[in-house]
Amino acid sequence: EAQVTQNPRYLITVTGKKLTVTCSQNMNHEYMSWYRQDPGLGLRQIYYSMNVEVTDKGDVPEGYKVSRKEKRNFPLILESPSPNQTSLYFCASSFGTTSPLHFGNGTRLTVT
Amino acid sequence: AQSVTQPDIHITVSEGASLELRCNYSYGATPYLFWYVQSPGQGLQLLLKYFSGDTLVQGIKGFEAEFKRSQSSFNLRKPSVHWSDAAEYFCAGVTGGGNKLTFGTGTQLKVEL
Repeated sequence: EAQVTQNPRYLITVTGKKLTVTCSQNMNHEYMSWYRQDPGLGLRQIYYSMNVEVTDKGDVPEGYKVSRKEKRNFPLILESPSPNQTSLYFCASSFGTTSPLHFGNGTRLTVT
Repeated sequence: AQSVTQPDIHITVSEGASLELRCNYSYGATPYLFWYVQSPGQGLQLLLKYFSGDTLVQGIKGFEAEFKRSQSSFNLRKPSVHWSDAAEYFCAGVTGGGNKLTFGTGTQLKVEL
């Protein structure tokens, strides 16, 4: 089954404790992206990747890192999480920016 | 700046009534436009997309959308809403040469039985 898999679904952590949210897709998509969803703000892009080893900042990259060492994986790294990074995070992938995105089921992160 | 705007934050309709969700875009060239739906606790699912050609596009679950260049709009419609349509709906757009898909802020649809 074609899918984007994010883990974990829920994560509660404390300020400053490094964490990684994993994202994997099995559709051989070149394009992958991370979004955060906050009430009233819709989805805002954090980082995106056009292909392996090619990543770029989205609208709200501060406090986040990504890497794309393999085509299927695109982990999101929070080196030192802060409470303002409490949010719902989505990973998505597609064949390109003008192709429909396939979304994971989300990761709800709480930073205390 | 290139953008997509959804003017309605919340909309409530009765089951069986017709539905129209508004989306306005601001792009220099004709954009690629999408409508996505998000059910509670789920990721976003594509409803339909417009790239070019016929301005009335059909999607899944009985939805359709009409691209109107003169009004810079891409409104989503459904003739008869079902209770299971209650969800949040997002409009999104990108230009042909662009690398950034922009989402609207979403419209929360409530369906009254």
